[in-house]
Amino acid sequence: AQTVTQSQPEMSVQEAETVTLSCTYDTSESDYYLFWYKQPPSRQMILVIRQEAYKQQNATENRFSVNFQKAAKSFSLKISDSQLGDAAMYFCAYRSFNQAGTALIFGKGTTLSVSS
Amino acid sequence: KAGVTQTPRYLIKTRGQQVTLSCSPISGHRSVSWYQQTPGQGLQFLFEYFSETQRNKGNFPGRFSGRQFSNSRSEMNVSTLELGDSALYLCASSYGGSGGANEQFFGPGTRLTVL
Repeated sequence: AQTVTQSQPEMSVQEAETVTLSCTYDTSESDYYLFWYKQPPSRQMILVIRQEAYKQQNATENRFSVNFQKAAKSFSLKISDSQLGDAAMYFCAYRSFNQAGTALIFGKGTTLSVSS
Repeated sequence: KAGVTQTPRYLIKTRGQQVTLSCSPISGHRSVSWYQQTPGQGLQFLFEYFSETQRNKGNFPGRFSGRQFSNSRSEMNVSTLELGDSALYLCASSYGGSGGANEQFFGPGTRLTVL
C-alpha cells in the first residue's frame, strides 16, 4: 500500500522569504501523480500544484515549485516570496495512475505560519 | 461556474443516531469522493462514486455508506454514530474519466460533532 509522510508538523517563515515543505512517499508503482493541497483556516482545500511522475521536469506555478526526486521518492514544495495569505495547512497527496478512480492518499500535513 | 457545495455545514448529533450529508459537485463532474478529516488520523478516503456506482472504497466500517444520484449529487450516511465519528467530512468532485490527473475540487466540508 502507498503511504505519504510529511515529517514537519509545523513550519514558519517571514514574509518575502522562501520556505520548503518536505514530503516523502512510498510506492511500488512507476506511474502516479503527486499533489500539494493548501487548506487555509476556512477549511476549503485548494490545489496548489501537481506533478506527473513520468515527467522529469519539476512543476512550477508562480511562486510555488516542487523538487521531485523520483528515485528518492521525495516531493518537496518550495514557496518563494512568502505572503501572509500563504499561512495554511499544506498536504502532500498521492494518486495512483493505474487505479480506477481518483482516491487520494494524504500525508498528515504541515502547518505553515507566516509572520510580517 | 459554481463550486462544490456541501450541506449542512455544521451538524451536532448524539451517539447511536444516524446522519446524512449531501454534496453537489461542479456541473459536468461525474465523480464524487468523500474524505474524513480528524486531528488524529488526518485525511482519509472514504469512497468514490462515479456515474451512480461506487468505484472505490476506503477502509471504513459498513456504518459508512453513500450513494450517487443521476444528477451526480451524492450523499453519505453514517449509522449508529460513535464519538470517534466527529470529524470534518470533505467532498471532492472531478470529471472522473479514465486517464489524466483528474483534478479534484473540494467543497467547504461538513463539521460533524457527535456527543
